[in-house]
Amino acid sequence: EVQLLESGGGLVQPGGSLRLSCAASGFIFTSFGMGWVRQAPGKGLEWVSSISGGGSSTYYADSVKGRLTISRDNSNNTLYLHMNSLRAEDTAVYYCAKDGGNSGWPLFYYGMDVWGQGTTVAVSS
Amino acid sequence: DIQMTQSPSSLSASLGDRVTITCRASQSISNYLNWYQHKAGKAPKLLIYTASSLQSGVPSRFSGNGSGTDFTLTISSLQPEDFATYYCQQSYSTPRGTFGQGTKLEI
Repeated sequence: EVQLLESGGGLVQPGGSLRLSCAASGFIFTSFGMGWVRQAPGKGLEWVSSISGGGSSTYYADSVKGRLTISRDNSNNTLYLHMNSLRAEDTAVYYCAKDGGNSGWPLFYYGMDVWGQGTTVAVSS
Repeated sequence: DIQMTQSPSSLSASLGDRVTITCRASQSISNYLNWYQHKAGKAPKLLIYTASSLQSGVPSRFSGNGSGTDFTLTISSLQPEDFATYYCQQSYSTPRGTFGQGTKLEI
């Protein structure tokens, strides 16, 4: 069974740091791009960041560029989101998601077909 | 960046109704359009990919249509479990993966 399991969320002060992890199982991890999507309280889904299967290409929403960094460890089937200089507006449930198509296709052409259960990040003093 | 605009933002409907949600892209995105269903406290669920392809396991009452800039998601006969928020997503150009603002479907 294909599964994604996020961890690492919590309460952090403004300006602080956090690292989210997403453990993948049930598929050939290195063959698929991955992404992070968040939902702030009362708001819609916001794409945050994506990474190619091999990890060489990364993409960021303007709202997080320079503060959040996506990475992956293909030897351990784990996706990461390193979060620095956190702001109140980063408060959200963060989901990791798998690309529905393999690395031969543009990222998310086949959608995000598997999602984790989400991990909550709260930025507050 | 490509902007995705959904309409309406919210929609009230009854069991058995046929409903259509619209998504418009700020420029042509061919068929690089996906639809998701999201319920509170749950992970989003992929319904439709490449504008009109039904994801495995999704009931056939869901259908997608469109190409270029204008797209629709139709639910042919609303069931109790369909009341949720629906999002479109473009994957045409970098940054691939941006969503519309969502359409909340209520009873």
